[in-house]
Amino acid sequence: EDKVVQSPLSLVVHEGDTVTLNCSYEVTNFRSLLWYKQEKKAPTFLFMLTSSGIEKKSGRLSSILDKKELFSILNITATQTGDSAIYLCAVDSGTSYGKLTFGQGTILTVHP
Amino acid sequence: NAGVTQTPKFQVLKTGQSMTLQCAQDMNHEYMSWYRQDPGMGLRLIHYSVGAGITDQGEVPNGYNVSRSTTEDFPLRLLSAAPSQTSVYFCASSYWPSGSYEQYFGPGTRLTVT
Repeated sequence: EDKVVQSPLSLVVHEGDTVTLNCSYEVTNFRSLLWYKQEKKAPTFLFMLTSSGIEKKSGRLSSILDKKELFSILNITATQTGDSAIYLCAVDSGTSYGKLTFGQGTILTVHP
Repeated sequence: NAGVTQTPKFQVLKTGQSMTLQCAQDMNHEYMSWYRQDPGMGLRLIHYSVGAGITDQGEVPNGYNVSRSTTEDFPLRLLSAAPSQTSVYFCASSYWPSGSYEQYFGPGTRLTVT
C-alpha cells in the first residue's frame, strides 16, 4: 500500500522565521512528488519534483527531493502571516496517471 | 475559463438520503478525480476517471458511485448517506497524458450527514 507521511503535523512560528516541512514516502512505482498549499478552500499547486537533488524555487519557497532516501523537504524563508496554511505533500505512484496519494498535511501558523 | 466548478458548496443530509455532488471542468482535461478531506488525514482518493466512459476506484470508494459520460462532467453519487461520510469533498482534474501531473482543484463541497 502506498504511503506518504508528513512531519511535523503542525508548526507555530513568528514572522521572519525559517521553516522546514518534511515528507517521506513509500510507493510502488514513483513518478513525481507534488507540494500543495491549502488556505481556506482548494489546494493550490506549489511544486512538482521528479529528479533527485534538483531544487525547485519560487520566491521564498524552495523544495528538494531525495529519491534514494525517499523524502522531500519544503523550505519557507522569512515567513509571513500569509504563509499560514496547510501544506500537503502528494506522490504520483505511477499506477495510473494523475492518481495521487496525499500525506496528512502540515498545519503552519505564522504569528505577527 | 471557469476552471473546476463544484456544486453545491454546502449540503446537509439525513442518514439514508441520497444525493449527487456535481463537478465540471472547462479545460478539456482527460483525468478527473474525487477526494474527501477529513481532519488530520489529508486528501483520500474516492474515484477517478481517465476519460469519458472510464472510471476506477480509489482508496475509499465504498458508499459512492461515479460515471463519466462527457469529458467535462464527473458527478459523485452518495447512495445512502451515513454520518461517516461527513467531510469536505474536492473534485480535481488534470491533463492526461501529459508531462505534468499538476491537478487543478475545485472549491469543495462541505457535506454534513446527521
